[in-house]
Amino acid sequence: NAGVTQTPKFRVLKTGQSMTLLCAQDMNHEYMYWYRQDPGMGLRLIHYSVGEGTTAKGEVPDGYNVSRLKKQNFLLGLESAAPSQTSVYFCASTNRGGTPDTQYFGPGTRLTVL
Amino acid sequence: KQEVTQIPAALSVPEGENLVLNCSFTDSAIYNLQWFRQDPGKGLTSLLLIQSSQREQTSGRLNASLDKSSGRSTLYIAASQPGDSATYLCAVPGYSSASKIIFGSGTRLSIRP
Repeated sequence: NAGVTQTPKFRVLKTGQSMTLLCAQDMNHEYMYWYRQDPGMGLRLIHYSVGEGTTAKGEVPDGYNVSRLKKQNFLLGLESAAPSQTSVYFCASTNRGGTPDTQYFGPGTRLTVL
Repeated sequence: KQEVTQIPAALSVPEGENLVLNCSFTDSAIYNLQWFRQDPGKGLTSLLLIQSSQREQTSGRLNASLDKSSGRSTLYIAASQPGDSATYLCAVPGYSSASKIIFGSGTRLSIRP
C-alpha cells in the first residue's frame, strides 16, 4: 500500500513550457486534491475532484488544468508555465471529502519555472 | 469566506518544555478541524482530527482542543523532544463546500536539545 505518490519529485521548466504532474493513490479514495505551497502562505487549493470524471476549481485555478480519467489518478497540467507558478505542489486524497475523514498527502513536487 | 490564522509563525523552545500552538478561524460553522505536521521537504501527516461536536482529542503527548464559539483551536505538546521539530498546520473544511479544506500558514517549531 503506497498511499499517495507523485511524479516527478523535481522539475525545472522554462517560461512557456508545458508539463503534467501525476498523482496516484491506491486507497480507493473518492476525493482528490491539488495544492500549491508557497512560503508564508500555507497550502492553497488549485483544483479538486469528487470522483472519476469530475473536477472543480479551488482557490487558485488560473493557469492550471486537471483531469480525473481514472479514480486512482489525478493529473495537474500547466499549459504555459510562468515564474509565478514556481512552488511546491502537493496532491492529497480522502475517502469522503471534508468531513470526517482526514486527507492523505503525497510527498510533493518541487517545480521551478525560470 | 473562511480564513485560518496561526500565530506565531515560528517558535523555539528548549527540550522538555510543554508548549501550545494556536489556530484561529473566522467562520465558526465548521464540520471539523485537523492538525497536521510537515517535516522539511516532506508532505503533510495528519496528527489529530476534532469533530465539531467534540471539545478535544488526544494522541500520545498531543492534545488538541476546539472552541467553536471563539473560533480557536490549540495543539498542546507535552514534554517536547527534538523530534517534534517541524511545521504544524491546522485546517478546516470550507463551510460552503465540505470538499474544500482551508489551511493556516503554519507554525515552525524548533525544539532545542
